[in-house]
Amino acid sequence: DAGVTQSPTHLIKTRGQQVTLRCSPKSGHDTVSWYQQALGQGPQFIFQYYEEEERQRGNFPDRFSGHQYPNYSSELNVNALLLGDSALYLCASSFQGPGLGYGYTFGSGTRLTVV
Amino acid sequence: QQPVQSPQAVILREGEDAVINCSSSKALYSVHWYRQKHGEAPVFLMILLKGGEQKGHEKISASFNEKKQQSSLYLTASQLSYSGTYFCGTGYIYNFNKFYFGSGTKLNVKP
Repeated sequence: DAGVTQSPTHLIKTRGQQVTLRCSPKSGHDTVSWYQQALGQGPQFIFQYYEEEERQRGNFPDRFSGHQYPNYSSELNVNALLLGDSALYLCASSFQGPGLGYGYTFGSGTRLTVV
Repeated sequence: QQPVQSPQAVILREGEDAVINCSSSKALYSVHWYRQKHGEAPVFLMILLKGGEQKGHEKISASFNEKKQQSSLYLTASQLSYSGTYFCGTGYIYNFNKFYFGSGTKLNVKP
């Protein structure tokens, strides 16, 4: 049973550019959450998608946007990249949402470097 | 809204015990525990829901003190494979799907 798949694994972008990261959730999961993890820090909540809608959002600017498709896969888009956006971006899937008692399955992440 | 974890780091010898704490200033609905090894994704260990239950996973168990809005992770007779960074994640009663992680506790188990 495939877990959470993220692509690409590594990415180098120039400041000001735009980037799209992709995530396929674990089979049977319908909720996708995105997190940003800086080196040595805990994952920071960006947003959560359920039924193709953004259900929850953390304290991230509008430059961060996302989408969920009918097959539950999801994208994270970041516009006008800043050096501070360099981080590991983690996609986590769950059934209906982590707060209801179901744990997350995380992907291996996309390492984004902004130069 | 981010839960507070303590300690930040722990160094153990194989066979020793450790406790990692996670506390919140807001009413919790659920607490998750994850372990992340260097260069890998976090792996789900267990979940505790509002109600003060205790759970176990191998020699790792956790408790949830609803009155104190705290959870503790207990690692007994630690093994080398327990090394990694432990994160607690919390969902709140007012919004249980807005899920935040603590800053992590780095555990290093030495032979």
